Amino acid sequence: EAGVTQSPTHLIKTRGQQATLRCSPISGHTSVYWYQQALGLGLQFLLWYDEGEERNRGNFPPRFSGRQFPNYSSELNVNALELEDSALYLCASSFPGQGSEKLFFGSGTQLSVL
Amino acid sequence: AQSVTQPDIHITVSEGASLELRCNYSYGATPYLFWYVQSPGQGLQLLLKYFSGDTLVQGIKGFEAEFKRSQSSFNLRKPSVHWSDAAEYFCAVGAQSIAAGNKLTFGGGTRVLVKP
Repeated sequence: EAGVTQSPTHLIKTRGQQATLRCSPISGHTSVYWYQQALGLGLQFLLWYDEGEERNRGNFPPRFSGRQFPNYSSELNVNALELEDSALYLCASSFPGQGSEKLFFGSGTQLSVL
Repeated sequence: AQSVTQPDIHITVSEGASLELRCNYSYGATPYLFWYVQSPGQGLQLLLKYFSGDTLVQGIKGFEAEFKRSQSSFNLRKPSVHWSDAAEYFCAVGAQSIAAGNKLTFGGGTRVLVKP
């Protein structure tokens, strides 16, 4: 069974540009979560999508946004990139109703903002 | 607000020696507690979790953790470390209700180095 897949593995952008990160959940999972792992800041919750709707949002500015598609895959968009957005972005998924008690994480997208 | 503290940023242990990683949490209700491991360039892998019941929890790869409510702690242990255990370990806390927002709060992580 395929795990959570994220693309691209690495992404290099310059300040002010937009970045789009993609995540495909495990088959049967309907919830997708995004976490940011930045140096010195640890792992921070970004967004939770379930059944196509944004259900919860972490303490991040509005230029961090995303969506979930009918096939439950998800995109994370970061607009007006800043240097401090450089981080590993991890996507996770779960079965309906299981929530954070059983998350499966992808290997992440390393975003570098120059 | 919920928070997790891992007091040790780095730990070096000899192969075959025992390992204990500390985790203290702050949470207003009964939490879910987790330990995850992250190898270089990889995502997070769940080692074990505590929801309720027996306070000593067994996980994968020979790890165990003990929940101590009175100390707000959930320390991770392994009796005999293998070189492959070198990685970063994260303690996390989450709500037992999806209605609470379904997010995990992570500690800052402990990087474990294993000496031959």
